[in-house]
Amino acid sequence: DTGVSQNPRHKITKRGQNVTFRCDPISEHNRLYWYRQTLGQGPEFLTYFQNEAQLEKSRLLSDRFSAERPKGSFSTLEIQRTEQGDSAMYLCASSLDEGTVYGYTFGSGTRLTVV
Amino acid sequence: TQLLEQSPQFLSIQEGENLTVYCNSSSVFSSLQWYRQEPGEGPVLLVTVVTGGEVKKLKRLTFQFGDARKDSSLHITAAQPGDTGLYLCAGSKFQAGTALIFGKGTTLSVSS
Repeated sequence: DTGVSQNPRHKITKRGQNVTFRCDPISEHNRLYWYRQTLGQGPEFLTYFQNEAQLEKSRLLSDRFSAERPKGSFSTLEIQRTEQGDSAMYLCASSLDEGTVYGYTFGSGTRLTVV
Repeated sequence: TQLLEQSPQFLSIQEGENLTVYCNSSSVFSSLQWYRQEPGEGPVLLVTVVTGGEVKKLKRLTFQFGDARKDSSLHITAAQPGDTGLYLCAGSKFQAGTALIFGKGTTLSVSS
């Protein structure tokens, strides 16, 4: 297993377009998380899944954002009608159970630039 | 409202100096984790502290969890340029099923 994989690494899109990011977690991990991070700041929680169930969503996750994790494997995060304020690094992480002992394993992120 | 406050926000020091980074909260956490992040990469776990008053050492890094489980510190001895990065603390609440809450981080720059 090569860790958490995120694609694409970079995405530049025009305002108003839709974008979709993919995350492939560590196969043994049942929990998957999405965070958003702006330059020099800590990650802000967006949502997380336990297996295929989406258990928690942040108020940061507006109606334009949707996340799925079909069959409890990979996950996608879609942003509709992108705005310039959506420009950020989108981080995916996975963990075994709650991650309180072994922590979260993060991917390298997808950097989104909305122009 | 930021649940976890980190200080200082920025730190620029010379190689060989010692430093301490703080992570404070008014909330109690079941555990705290420290991560280090390099530009263009995701955070990488350094340590997890669980017990109030716990001290853990990782080579030149010493981590402490406050007795009341509301704060933590990271002390680096004889900093090296390779220590440069964004240091993040992250707390886990007692409620089962909640995701980690991250602080805003401390950006450390160590020059030779």
